[in-house]
Amino acid sequence: DQQVKQNSPSLSVQEGRISILNCDYTNSMFDYFLWYKKYPAEGPTFLISISSIKDKNEDGRFTVFLNKSAKHLSLHIVPSQPGDSAVYFCAARGAGGTSYGKLTFGQGTILTVHP
Amino acid sequence: NAGVMQNPRHLVRRRGQEARLRCSPMKGHSHVYWYRQLPEEGLKFMVYLQKENIIDESGMPKERFSAEFPKEGPSILRIQQVVRGDSAAYFCASSPPLAGGSHEQFFGPGTRLTVL
Repeated sequence: DQQVKQNSPSLSVQEGRISILNCDYTNSMFDYFLWYKKYPAEGPTFLISISSIKDKNEDGRFTVFLNKSAKHLSLHIVPSQPGDSAVYFCAARGAGGTSYGKLTFGQGTILTVHP
Repeated sequence: NAGVMQNPRHLVRRRGQEARLRCSPMKGHSHVYWYRQLPEEGLKFMVYLQKENIIDESGMPKERFSAEFPKEGPSILRIQQVVRGDSAAYFCASSPPLAGGSHEQFFGPGTRLTVL
């Protein structure tokens, strides 16, 4: 069962515009949601996170929004830059019991930012 | 402060051989996690370890796979009698103690295992 889903395999955006990456989850037993960026042949790099008790967190060009009733989160990048082109993974951290601490990842979205 | 180190970066094995993947966490991090990424898929959790303890191995295949994080030295993911389906990128991540409120996991560059 896929508890964390990224339904868009790819997204193409013009430089300077906003990129919006989406993620849905089906389990409420998560305490943090995280976004990672990954280049080919490298490990994921942590970008930004949000606690399950918040609805927004902002860090520079990156903002993550959490809609708990819809079990949906999104990452906004504005303005988008060509260097942002990478695979973006949404991840959810287990809140307790045997799942505490482990991350469940979505399938990833390939973002391409055109100059 | 060095990041998470993994070696080797690339490993080629023939079917039936053993693969040993090593991970040195970031300085001050006592928690290690192993994830596997199959082609065209996201990362899948395998095992969560603290020093000398396996906390959660619910993502590990029941046979041929084992992991350890000894008191001294790196964490080791061991795959015995490898098969072609084990070909994947294996990522290690580390974090400080969770009770401190930290929640980020920091990833190493990965080991790409190819089974011929």
